[in-house]
Amino acid sequence: DSGVTQTPKHLITATGQRVTLRCSPRSGDLSVYWYQQSLDQGLQFLIQYYNGEERAKGNILERFSAQQFPDLHSELNLSSLELGDSALYFCASSARQTETQYFGPGTRLLVL
Amino acid sequence: AQSVTQPDIHITVSEGASLELRCNYSYGATPYLFWYVQSPGQGLQLLLKYFSGDTLVQGIKGFEAEFKRSQSSFNLRKPSVHWSDAAEYFCAVGLDQTGANNLFFGTGTRLTVIP
Repeated sequence: DSGVTQTPKHLITATGQRVTLRCSPRSGDLSVYWYQQSLDQGLQFLIQYYNGEERAKGNILERFSAQQFPDLHSELNLSSLELGDSALYFCASSARQTETQYFGPGTRLLVL
Repeated sequence: AQSVTQPDIHITVSEGASLELRCNYSYGATPYLFWYVQSPGQGLQLLLKYFSGDTLVQGIKGFEAEFKRSQSSFNLRKPSVHWSDAAEYFCAVGLDQTGANNLFFGTGTRLTVIP
């Protein structure tokens, strides 16, 4: 158990819908990262927040957005969902920006 | 920009045999290097990491990896594989020019262990 929690574990929705994935980092960790794992793209970095501020952006679509709240939990919002958004979404956290990342168990999203 | 190459998509070894998973990276400076393992249906678990110092790093579950700057490699090794080691292994590099430690992953190597 890494100490990073993600909810929900599984999510099934339809194309065009919007979903929110939630992540609670390890106690004391200030940095949160979001990754997408899909069969065709592999593991890709999406976005990073540090103490509430966006710090780095990867291959994140404009339909996707994220935020980190004062209590340091983070949410990833996916809108106008397409079939190709079906993937495993991981959250990771680290104490500081250059520290080791610890991954949550992931949220498996299926868009039908 | 950094990149990571894991040339072996799938490796099969016998239980008790030794294992080496290859990882090559591309990065201008000394990177942070990681090996993660993902069991079926599970998240990613950190096996070991290299930030600086001794180029041979020990990790959990009996794994080790060696950083070779001249070869831009960070290969993962285990002297004797157990059936429970069957999983997917990802090499990753962190620390790009922005200073953020977002990780770039290789495509993974799936390890099958046969009795």
